[in-house]
Amino acid sequence: GEDVEQSLFLSVREGDSSVINCTYTDSSSTYLYWYKQEPGAGLQLLTYIFSNMDMKQDQRLTVLLNKKDKHLSLRIADTQTGDSAIYFCADAPASGGSYIPTFGRGTSLIVHP
Amino acid sequence: ETGVTQSPTHLIKTRGQQVTLRCSSQSGHNTVSWYQQALGQGPQFIFQYYREEENGRGNFPPRFSGLQFPNYSSELNVNALELDDSALYLCASSPRGENPDTQYFGPGTRLTVL
Repeated sequence: GEDVEQSLFLSVREGDSSVINCTYTDSSSTYLYWYKQEPGAGLQLLTYIFSNMDMKQDQRLTVLLNKKDKHLSLRIADTQTGDSAIYFCADAPASGGSYIPTFGRGTSLIVHP
Repeated sequence: ETGVTQSPTHLIKTRGQQVTLRCSSQSGHNTVSWYQQALGQGPQFIFQYYREEENGRGNFPPRFSGLQFPNYSSELNVNALELDDSALYLCASSPRGENPDTQYFGPGTRLTVL
C-alpha cells in the first residue's frame, strides 16, 4: 500500500530557511501536496505540485520533486514565528476521477526568535 | 477560512454508543470526504461521497457509515464506539472536476470516547 514518510520535528530560528522533507512510495501519484495545520484547526492547503514538474515556487514557498527517488521537499524562506505549525505531505494518485490523498504523520515546525 | 463547517466542535461519548457528525460543504462543492486524525498522526481517509453516492472507502469497518444530502452537506455516523475511535474527524469538500481535486478542510470535530 501507499506510504508517506516525514521527519517528525524541525526547529529553526526566525529569519532562517526551513526545509521539510517527505518520501512516498506510490509511483502512480499524480499530485503531491503540502498542507499546514495550526493547533486546534483543520488542514490548510499550502501548495501542490504535479508529478511531471521538478519545482514549483509560490512566494516564500519552494517545492522540489525528485520523482526518481520519490522525494518531495518544502522550503520556507525567511521563516516567521507564524509559520510554526504541523506540515503534512500527501500524495494522491488518480482514482475514479478523484484524487484521494494519503498523508504522512506530519512534521512539527518550531520557529524560535 | 474555507467555508466548510462542522458540528459539533467537541463531543464526549462512552463505549458502545453511536455518534453522528455533520459537515456543511463549501458552496458549489459536490464532493465531500471524511478523515480520521488520531493524536500525533496524519489524517486517514474514511470515505468520500459524490452526488450522494459513496465514491471510495478507506480501511474502516462498516460501523463507519455516511450520507450526503441533495444540498451536498454530509453526515458521518459511527456505531458501537470504541476507545480507539477517539480522534479529530475532518471533513473536506471539493469541486469535482477541478484539476487538481483540491480539498478544503473544515476545522474538525474532536471526539472523545470514554
